[in-house]
Amino acid sequence: NAGVTQTPKFRILKIGQSMTLQCAQDMNHNYMYWYRQDPGMGLKLIYYSVGAGITDKGEVPNGYNVSRSTTEDFPLRLELAAPSQTSVYFCASRTTGVDQPQHFGDGTRLSIL
Amino acid sequence: QKEVEQDPGPLSVPEGAIVSLNCTYSNSAFQYFMWYRQYSRKGPELLMYTYSSGNKEDGRFTAQVDKSSKYISLFIRDSQPSDSATYLCAIRTNFGNEKLTFGTGTRLTIIP
Repeated sequence: NAGVTQTPKFRILKIGQSMTLQCAQDMNHNYMYWYRQDPGMGLKLIYYSVGAGITDKGEVPNGYNVSRSTTEDFPLRLELAAPSQTSVYFCASRTTGVDQPQHFGDGTRLSIL
Repeated sequence: QKEVEQDPGPLSVPEGAIVSLNCTYSNSAFQYFMWYRQYSRKGPELLMYTYSSGNKEDGRFTAQVDKSSKYISLFIRDSQPSDSATYLCAIRTNFGNEKLTFGTGTRLTIIP
């Protein structure tokens, strides 16, 4: 069982570059999420999706974009990378149901220099 | 005031000890309470989930919620070196709100 797969695991970007963080899940989950985790700050929700074609902003969406064209994939796009976007990014998914847990990938460690 | 406060630790205890991890929260609208465990270089994994005051037990783990005090706890009995990880509390308001508010995490080390 692959679960939630994130690629790449590590990346270094220069200021102003753009990139897409990939997230795929094979559990047929409707709900998908992107978080960032900064040291001493906990996880912050960037964007989420309740199904293919439906996305919504979370707590810290500025500087990011998402799309959800399929149930399986939920890519996160960084345009014009800034040092403040240096973080560990986690993708998560869950099935429908109020008490269903979010399953997390192992993260993408991104440094903007 | 932060919505969720969690002592970052680090916390080191000897193997076999009882561990107590705690979070406080400020918003009385929070109704769903979770504890996640996160190993180094890994994503969080759900340990416990509850939506009512009182205790919920699962093996060596007990989650406790006191809504009147806005205080939640995770107890680990007979702690093992494999329990060494960062523990995050996460809280949510009512159903339909997708935003989880996470604590900053407590780093726990169990010393053999």
